[in-house]
Amino acid sequence: GAGVSQSPSNKVTEKGKDVELRCDPISGHTALYWYRQSLGQGLEFLIYFQGNSAPDKSGLPSDRFSAERTGGSVSTLTIQRTQQEDSAVYLCASSLSRGGDNYGYTFGSGTRLTVV
Amino acid sequence: QKEVEQDPGPLSVPEGAIVSLNCTYSNSAFQYFMWYRQYSRKGPELLMYTYSSGNKEDGRFTAQVDKSSKYISLFIRDSQPSDSATYLCAMDSNYQLIWGAGTKLIIKP
Repeated sequence: GAGVSQSPSNKVTEKGKDVELRCDPISGHTALYWYRQSLGQGLEFLIYFQGNSAPDKSGLPSDRFSAERTGGSVSTLTIQRTQQEDSAVYLCASSLSRGGDNYGYTFGSGTRLTVV
Repeated sequence: QKEVEQDPGPLSVPEGAIVSLNCTYSNSAFQYFMWYRQYSRKGPELLMYTYSSGNKEDGRFTAQVDKSSKYISLFIRDSQPSDSATYLCAMDSNYQLIWGAGTKLIIKP
């Protein structure tokens, strides 16, 4: 597609339930990133994919968070046993490559997650 | 102390004014400095990108980097109501971007 697509756009879930968030990057973009944005906070890095591998998982806040990417394209971020502090906007971005002088990330509109 | 500090605002100015948005940082290793604009319920979009110190101009926007002071700025000339958004600065650290919290800008018609 023309841009980065994320679904669902909004998700309300009960505490303790699992959620899956989906990201469909721009075709041909090998790098994919997940960020979390809480109210009044900057973007918090979660995980980076190059192709299907995740060389940088340093930002995942706990073992309840996991992500995968298949076919060098779609990525899924899974949060198990959701907690109220997981409530945030989860943003996905893709780019042609990572590092150097290429910071032309294209972001999706995000998934707004609310844990009640 | 955060690596990147940015005043959250909101900053409210009249249409046509010159706007100055700023970030300070602590890590002298940062080399790439970016400004992103984020409209409500949208993802950030890249506005300006600067390598090392100096100025860069693109239309009504000018980005400045002062590495000696660890201070970056974004200037918007002839501000328009459509410029109302949150502006986030970002800088690199081992190819991972470190973000400011964003400044909410309101341009009053």
